[in-house]
Amino acid sequence: NAGVTQTPKFQVLKTGQSMTLQCAQDMNHNSMYWYRQDPGMGLRLIYYSASEGTTDKGEVPNGYNVSRLNKREFSLRLESAAPSQTSVYFCASSERPQGTNEKLFFGSGTQLSVL
Amino acid sequence: DAKTTQPPSMDCAEGRAANLPCNHSTISGNEYVYWYRQIHSQGPQYIIHGLKNNETNEMASLIITEDRKSSTLILPHATLRDTAVYYCIVRDRYNFGNEKLTFGTGTRLTIIP
Repeated sequence: NAGVTQTPKFQVLKTGQSMTLQCAQDMNHNSMYWYRQDPGMGLRLIYYSASEGTTDKGEVPNGYNVSRLNKREFSLRLESAAPSQTSVYFCASSERPQGTNEKLFFGSGTQLSVL
Repeated sequence: DAKTTQPPSMDCAEGRAANLPCNHSTISGNEYVYWYRQIHSQGPQYIIHGLKNNETNEMASLIITEDRKSSTLILPHATLRDTAVYYCIVRDRYNFGNEKLTFGTGTRLTIIP
């Protein structure tokens, strides 16, 4: 199993350009998440999708949109990139059991630079 | 979800036990303690979680104090590959409609040869 796959791994954009970060998981998980990580700031949640067909804002949603395309795929779109969006982006997924074993599984990240 | 406090950095000699503390003094009765780690440039990796009893798995042990206000992650025989940032997180076991984890800045653990 590949787990959580993110593409691309690296991207350089000019201010104002748009792009979509792709994420897919093959673990049949219900919930998916997008985080960003800036130096010295830990991970901050951008958006999440608790289940197919639903999306909700996290801590830092401004400037982003998401699409839960199907159960496997959750994309993050930057409509008009800004230098403040330079960061490393991580996608993650988890099961949504009625119990307590809600581990997050992370992808390997996308390093995005906005010039 | 309750906030956590961790030391920003720690060193540990290779082969020794690494003990990483976490303070979560405002934890509520329904909140679990989770530990993740992030090795340089990789996505975070789940380590262990617990509610009130001590837990052990193939990676680590988790010791939660009786009052649940603090916990310690123990890596019994640290290796150089354990050098990483370790995150302690608490979240509500019944928060099914809002299943997100909030990551702070963690503890940077350096294993010294």
